[in-house]
Amino acid sequence: NAGVTQTPKFRVLKTGQSMTLLCAQDMNHEYMYWYRQDPGMGLRLIHYSVGEGTTAKGEVPDGYNVSRLKKQNFLLGLESAAPSQTSVYFCASSYGPSGGGYGYTFGSGTRLTVV
Amino acid sequence: DAKTTQPTSMDCAEGRAANLPCNHSTISGNEYVYWYRQIHSQGPQYIIHGLKNNETNEMASLIITEDRKSSTLILPHATLRDTAVYYCIAPGGSQGNLIFGKGTKLSVKP
Repeated sequence: NAGVTQTPKFRVLKTGQSMTLLCAQDMNHEYMYWYRQDPGMGLRLIHYSVGEGTTAKGEVPDGYNVSRLKKQNFLLGLESAAPSQTSVYFCASSYGPSGGGYGYTFGSGTRLTVV
Repeated sequence: DAKTTQPTSMDCAEGRAANLPCNHSTISGNEYVYWYRQIHSQGPQYIIHGLKNNETNEMASLIITEDRKSSTLILPHATLRDTAVYYCIAPGGSQGNLIFGKGTKLSVKP
């Protein structure tokens, strides 16, 4: 099993460019999440999905859009990248909500720099 | 989500037990306590979780006080590879998403 796979692993964008980060999981998990982590800080939840075709906002959703067209994939889009979006992005998935006793599996991250 | 409080950093000698404390005094009766760790810049790794009873798996043990207001993660024989930031999280609400704080930076030293 590959678990949670994120692509790309690294990317440099110019301000105003757009891009899509892909997260794929092969564990048949219902729930998927996108987090960002800035230097010296904990992870902050951007958006999440509780099943195919659903999305919801997390703590810091502004400037990002997401889509969950297939159960195994969760896409994070930046329509017009800004330097403030320079960060490491982590995707995660789980069978159910952690409030219900389900642990998350995380990907290895995408390091994005916006210049 | 219940607020959790952890020490900023801790040291442990290699081969000794590492005991990482966490206070969660506002936790409600149906909120789990989770522990994750993040080694360097890798994605967080699930360690263990519990509700009321103490739990043990191949990685660690979780001791939860009877009043559930605090817990301790125990790494029985710490190695250099256990050097990481350890997060104690008590998600709540109907969705119960994981909200990460700054965690405890554990340094295991030879």
